[in-house]
Amino acid sequence: AQSVSQHNHHVILSEAASLELGCNYSYGGTVNLFWYVQYPGQHLQLLLKYFSGDPLVKGIKGFEAEFIKSKFSFNLRKPSVQWSDTAEYFCAVTGSGNTGKLIFGQGTTLQVKP
Amino acid sequence: GAVVSQHPSWVICKSGTSVKIECRSLDFQATTMFWYRQFPKQSLMLMATSNEGSKATYEQGVEKDKFLINHASLTLSTLTVTSAHPEDSSFYICSAIGTASFVDYGYTFGSGTRLTVV
Repeated sequence: AQSVSQHNHHVILSEAASLELGCNYSYGGTVNLFWYVQYPGQHLQLLLKYFSGDPLVKGIKGFEAEFIKSKFSFNLRKPSVQWSDTAEYFCAVTGSGNTGKLIFGQGTTLQVKP
Repeated sequence: GAVVSQHPSWVICKSGTSVKIECRSLDFQATTMFWYRQFPKQSLMLMATSNEGSKATYEQGVEKDKFLINHASLTLSTLTVTSAHPEDSSFYICSAIGTASFVDYGYTFGSGTRLTVV
């Protein structure tokens, strides 16, 4: 079955700490991968995406993610978090070349303490 | 960029009435739109997929007669919750993709509609 698993449900960090959020997927075939962020009271915004090419993807606000095909993973990283990064983070997958339904992970709540 | 506008942001309705939620793509043609439901502290659950000019495809367990979806144009999709009941109270989110915008923007999401049925 197609699925996305985010290992960390709730992460609490202090400002300037490094962040890594895990994401593993189960999907037959090649994939498109996404990380979205949902700030409190706001809509989902695209942080970054992977379609093909360089497996290390850089996104907005200093975030990056690495696609490791052999591990079916697409972990999100940021070297130094800020209080403003407090939000809900969602990993999602769809089939490569497929603009069909997006399968979401359960989300990770990140709380950054000032 | 690719912008999706969703209205209303919140709505309160009486049990038994119907509510319509609109989702518009403002600067691109949305070939496909998706409707999600999000429960507090949970992920997004896909309800249905709609392609312009054709009937929506509903996910298993979603009542198509209760959640009516219309995608009459390349910029507008509507979700109507018919005969709403308190258990329909939730956060509804639409998403859209366009052939021309997908490579740059992927799936674009609306700001969501908070529905409360009293």
